[in-house]
Amino acid sequence: GENVEQHPSTLSVQEGDSAVIKCTYSDSASNYFPWYKQELGKGPQLIIDIRSNVGEKKDQRIAVTLNKTAKHFSLHITETQPEDSAVYFCAAARPGGGNKLTFGTGTQLKVEL
Amino acid sequence: DGGITQSPKYLFRKEGQNVTLSCEQNLNHDAMYWYRQDPGQGLRLIYYSQIVNDFQKGDIAEGYSVSREKKESFPLTVTSAQKNPTAFYLCASSTPAVGPKNIQYFGAGTRLSVL
Repeated sequence: GENVEQHPSTLSVQEGDSAVIKCTYSDSASNYFPWYKQELGKGPQLIIDIRSNVGEKKDQRIAVTLNKTAKHFSLHITETQPEDSAVYFCAAARPGGGNKLTFGTGTQLKVEL
Repeated sequence: DGGITQSPKYLFRKEGQNVTLSCEQNLNHDAMYWYRQDPGQGLRLIYYSQIVNDFQKGDIAEGYSVSREKKESFPLTVTSAQKNPTAFYLCASSTPAVGPKNIQYFGAGTRLSVL
């Protein structure tokens, strides 16, 4: 089955700096890669996603890049703000897999003032 | 107000007891999922259901049971066979995608502890 590895497990940045979280996946058939943000005591919320036919996608301060050959994808957050502090999860899904997502182990991002 | 409602927010289980976690959605989604979240382990799939009256085991189904009698409801029972039930439980729903995209929407979770 699919295995998704996520690094780093914790990340601390200064407000205004950029943050990068990286994930690798094992199943070359996976073709959908969402990123979720989870605030303390709440459920995860989708912040951006990318399909395998696209190399990069951007939404304001958030961007995701995908390298299908290397089987890795990354989340980039620019101009970080204190409200970006949360746990971020990457995930992967393959077609015909019952719409199941395989999640990474999460990154605790802390944006310091 | 559309969304996914999980209840209760906190739940305590005595040894040997079965407990049931509720998940209700009014998004008209066909598919529903249960995940378990432990510190440092991300989200692990317990059960999922793509349609009413049908469900499949996920990666860690042992000690859990589900039912899907109505489209909007997908309750999870943590049985006494689950020896380490303390965790944060998340329910999600989605529209089954024809193609590669599947957006799952999550509830606020239920935190289960053992007394």
